[in-house]
Amino acid sequence: SSELTQDPAVSVALGQTVRITCQGDSLRSYYASWYQQKPGQAPILVIYGKNKRPSGIPDRFSGSSSGNTASLTITGAQAEDEADYYCNSRDSSDNHLGVFGGGTKLTVL
Amino acid sequence: EVQLVQSGAEVKKPGESLKISCKGFGYSFTSYWIGWVRQMPGKGLEWMGIIYPGDSDTRYSPSFQGQVTMSADKSISTAYLQWSSLTAADTAMYYCARISAAAGDFWGQGTLVTVSS
Repeated sequence: SSELTQDPAVSVALGQTVRITCQGDSLRSYYASWYQQKPGQAPILVIYGKNKRPSGIPDRFSGSSSGNTASLTITGAQAEDEADYYCNSRDSSDNHLGVFGGGTKLTVL
Repeated sequence: EVQLVQSGAEVKKPGESLKISCKGFGYSFTSYWIGWVRQMPGKGLEWMGIIYPGDSDTRYSPSFQGQVTMSADKSISTAYLQWSSLTAADTAMYYCARISAAAGDFWGQGTLVTVSS
């Protein structure tokens, strides 16, 4: 199965831009999707496919990819963006299945 | 409005069986895969597997193969996750999610399973 690697923690000053990265071989073949999870809540999808945002997700969230690395960028981080962020991609061994990264805790200072 | 509504929290003893549910509303339940995700206390998200309610095609992630059983009843738009013999290691929050374009676009609220003697 595939593995996706994320930095455990990242911080950003209020209103600044932050990039959260995700590395893995499967990202050379498949797009990443990104999920935001706040304490005590279910995850919500914030980015999928080639930089697509579900309805209701602010346009300060964007996604990109290069080689084996996918990135989630928050431009002008807000206090409410403080959360855990998980990347996800298809599993190279069975592309019906998915694999998550370990998650990145984002702190907005 | 698309919604996935999961069954309520469960407290079980080791060795007991359990079946939790995920009911879909507001879309064609048979046209999308449903995925199950485990989140152990204080830990990250793990895909357990997916099921296609249209024909019950099921794929398990290697770590969960043989440990759980996924099923679906399309007549009532409900997917299930079941255990035949729980252990303390099964204590976790379990989420279902609708899969669209290889992403979980709608999620259930989660079912907390606690296994304790």
